[in-house]
Amino acid sequence: GESVGLHLPTLSVQEGDNSIINCAYSNSASDYFIWYKQESGKGPQFIIDIRSNMDKRQGQRVTVLLNKTVKHLSLQIAATQPGDSAVYFCAENTRAGNMLTFGGGTRLMVKP
Amino acid sequence: DGGITQSPKYLFRKEGQNVTLSCEQNLNHDAMYWYRQDPGQGLRLIYYSQIVNDFQKGDIAEGYSVSREKKESFPLTVTSAQKNPTAFYLCASSALLDRTQATNEKLFFGSGTQLSVL
Repeated sequence: GESVGLHLPTLSVQEGDNSIINCAYSNSASDYFIWYKQESGKGPQFIIDIRSNMDKRQGQRVTVLLNKTVKHLSLQIAATQPGDSAVYFCAENTRAGNMLTFGGGTRLMVKP
Repeated sequence: DGGITQSPKYLFRKEGQNVTLSCEQNLNHDAMYWYRQDPGQGLRLIYYSQIVNDFQKGDIAEGYSVSREKKESFPLTVTSAQKNPTAFYLCASSALLDRTQATNEKLFFGSGTQLSVL
């Protein structure tokens, strides 16, 4: 079936380095993608989104890249900080209405 | 201070008991959702409601029930038929159904309710 998945369940980076979190999607009909950050015991927080008519979008210290050819989405975090430690989820919107399908998540661990 | 409020933060259920999780939003959002999250896993959709007095089953609706009598409220009942209820439950809302407006597709989440079985 159609699904959203992540390549790496855990990513460990040094403080100050850049982080790249990857996500593969399989539904070519998906036209909207979103990244969420979830800290332990809390609800997911919106980070950044991108529509399928774009291939790159930048926010504050974060960049999302979309490669429709290989159905790949990535989240880049510049100058990773300890506060960035969390689980990151990608999600795609493929259905009628407004429902997101979530991937399994990647845990980002930042070493001081 | 606008947002989504879930209560309680922690909830314990005895076998055979129904329990209800509360979700209230003051964002004036039309759509509301319930997701279940198991440890180390992603979010799975239980139920959603796009308008008052209407709701639809998600991917894992069995053993759950909901109501949407008011726009701002979307309570979830975990019934005794749900044999494995231990999980983190997340409520979310979004503004409009018009997908041409990308900002309305964002889901805003509550802080979650951890449900455990005694």
